[in-house]
Amino acid sequence: QKEVEQDPGPLSVPEGAIVSLNCTYSNSAFQYFMWYRQYSRKGPELLMYTYSSGNKEDGRFTAQVDKSSKYISLFIRDSQPSDSATYLCAMSYTGANSKLTFGKGITLSVRP
Amino acid sequence: GAGVSQSPSNKVTEKGKDVELRCDPISGHTALYWYRQRLGQGLEFLIYFQGNSAPDKSGLPSDRFSAERTGESVSTLTIQRTQQEDSAVYLCASSIGTNQPQHFGDGTRLSIL
Repeated sequence: QKEVEQDPGPLSVPEGAIVSLNCTYSNSAFQYFMWYRQYSRKGPELLMYTYSSGNKEDGRFTAQVDKSSKYISLFIRDSQPSDSATYLCAMSYTGANSKLTFGKGITLSVRP
Repeated sequence: GAGVSQSPSNKVTEKGKDVELRCDPISGHTALYWYRQRLGQGLEFLIYFQGNSAPDKSGLPSDRFSAERTGESVSTLTIQRTQQEDSAVYLCASSIGTNQPQHFGDGTRLSIL
């Protein structure tokens, strides 16, 4: 079992839809949780950064962390064609080394 | 510059050659990370620098891979005697400190013929 599992996709939705992206993980020591967006031939761009359990909202994006279930989610409201990209979940431990462990990523396509 | 800069953006080389990949982190960022993204795979951690020292090299896949960082700034990842399985995008990230958000460059796309 990989440490971080992410729905493989791809995912295609119409413009304006609510998108739900999810990751599960196996190591309860993870404390920091991130979502990155990656456009083709570009580096990952940080969207959301959360510590421990709870919700965080930024514009059309909401990140949820449920540590008891080892489950994180990213919701995108009113999705736009410009949201079409690969979305990566990532997480790290508390401590001197914050190396990230990533899911494989899911490719989202928002149809106009 | 404002972001993490990597060079070259693309590198094509023959099997057996050595390659050097460069990363310029965001100014003032003390932590620097190298990751590898192979086709169809998630990003894999390679090595972590805090300042000029590398306390975690556990992700380097073989002794053909090495990295250094100088002046608490630029880092170079070197791959010796390249193999076809080394073909990947090599990404560098920096952060202002540990347990802080990591910001990525656009990577070097390495192709081994």
